[in-house]
Amino acid sequence: GAVVSQHPSRVICKSGTSVKIECRSLDFQATTMFWYRQFPKQSLMLMATSNEGSKATYEQGVEKDKFLINHASLTLSTLTVTSAHPEDSSFYICSARDRQGADYGYTFGSGTRLTVV
Amino acid sequence: AQSVAQPEDQVNVAEGNPLTVKCTYSVSGNPYLFWYVQYPNRGLQFLLKYITGDNLVKGSYGFEAEFNKSQTSFHLKKPSALVSDSALYFCAVRDQAGTALIFGKGTTLSVSS
Repeated sequence: GAVVSQHPSRVICKSGTSVKIECRSLDFQATTMFWYRQFPKQSLMLMATSNEGSKATYEQGVEKDKFLINHASLTLSTLTVTSAHPEDSSFYICSARDRQGADYGYTFGSGTRLTVV
Repeated sequence: AQSVAQPEDQVNVAEGNPLTVKCTYSVSGNPYLFWYVQYPNRGLQFLLKYITGDNLVKGSYGFEAEFNKSQTSFHLKKPSALVSDSALYFCAVRDQAGTALIFGKGTTLSVSS
């Protein structure tokens, strides 16, 4: 089945630095990727939708200058948390639309636990 | 706007008993409904989905869900729970425009031996 590889799985960074999270679709072309953020024991909150070759669409309240999303190819999307602060600590998950027969499904990465100290 | 409600924060069942995790939805047009399971510090694993067709959908690991249009519900069920089913379960919906999935708040399932 479709697989989305997300790296790193866990990262600790100092406040003020930037962190890049990668998501790769391994056996399919992901024209659309979604980025979610999840706080402990809470639901997944959609941050942005990215389409290959175009600018990402951010959800209301998400700072696009802080959370930079790049979707330069059909198999790779990246999320860069710039000038990270402790309040950015969270679990970030990507998701890609994949075609399953006549319908599209959604495949999720394994998530990235970001801790900003 | 589409939305999903999971009214229970936690469901506790004994191993071998049937389980139900509730989900109701609100969406314009015909809904596309999904159930996912999440283990600690992991991504989401797909369980099943309803797009069209039979109201009873069978999915992975013995789970099934029943789509009820009149009650706008899509409850997840399993006839006999296992301790290994203990996890966080999310119901999700997308509309026909094919946008991102919108998730419910999640329900923690705890199965005791």
